[in-house]
Amino acid sequence: EDQVTQSPEALRLQEGESSSLNCSYTVSGLRGLFWYRQDPGKGPEFLFTLYSAGEEKEKERLKATLTKKESFLHITAPKPEDSATYLCAVQEVTGNQFYFGTGTSLTVIP
Amino acid sequence: GAVVSQHPSRVICKSGTSVKIECRSLDFQATTMFWYRQFPKQSLMLMATSNEGSKATYEQGVEKDKFLINHASLTLSTLTVTSAHPEDSSFYICSAEGLAGGLTDTQYFGPGTRLTVL
Repeated sequence: EDQVTQSPEALRLQEGESSSLNCSYTVSGLRGLFWYRQDPGKGPEFLFTLYSAGEEKEKERLKATLTKKESFLHITAPKPEDSATYLCAVQEVTGNQFYFGTGTSLTVIP
Repeated sequence: GAVVSQHPSRVICKSGTSVKIECRSLDFQATTMFWYRQFPKQSLMLMATSNEGSKATYEQGVEKDKFLINHASLTLSTLTVTSAHPEDSSFYICSAEGLAGGLTDTQYFGPGTRLTVL
């Protein structure tokens, strides 16, 4: 059973068109939920860590929120440079293994 | 802070040779380092978890004799692909989890190493 599911797989937005990426998870106990950005041919870049339901974090045009079952990455007025694959990962309370989703490929069209 | 480097960034080798990839945490000590493999347009696949001074824990299906991991210090882990074959061609990424403070519970990734086996 997949622990982390991201949707949509791919998203095309016009510059300035706000939207949200979804990450749903099923773990027995959540230690943390992580968002990363990955550009082609590069390692993932850390964006946010969320620990408990109701928590929110913001960075420039990005805002991450967390509930008991899912997390959203909201992108407000995106720019072409926001184009990348966004990965979500969860870490269970037991053990330190991370479970990654397959990512959402975001393309922002000028 | 929290910078992880990998070396080399790209390597091309002949089938049957061995390749060593280094992963270093440059400005923090890493309790745990992880090695991932990523195929084009796919997510990260965890290969193994290594803690300094102890044997690595390999994921199911990953050959420990083929992918040798050494975690010699709190800032350095190496992955050696032994007797590489074309099917080993992939993008290998390491990550490190910090020792203390705000760096714990968060993985910081290296830039990755593109391995091509001819």
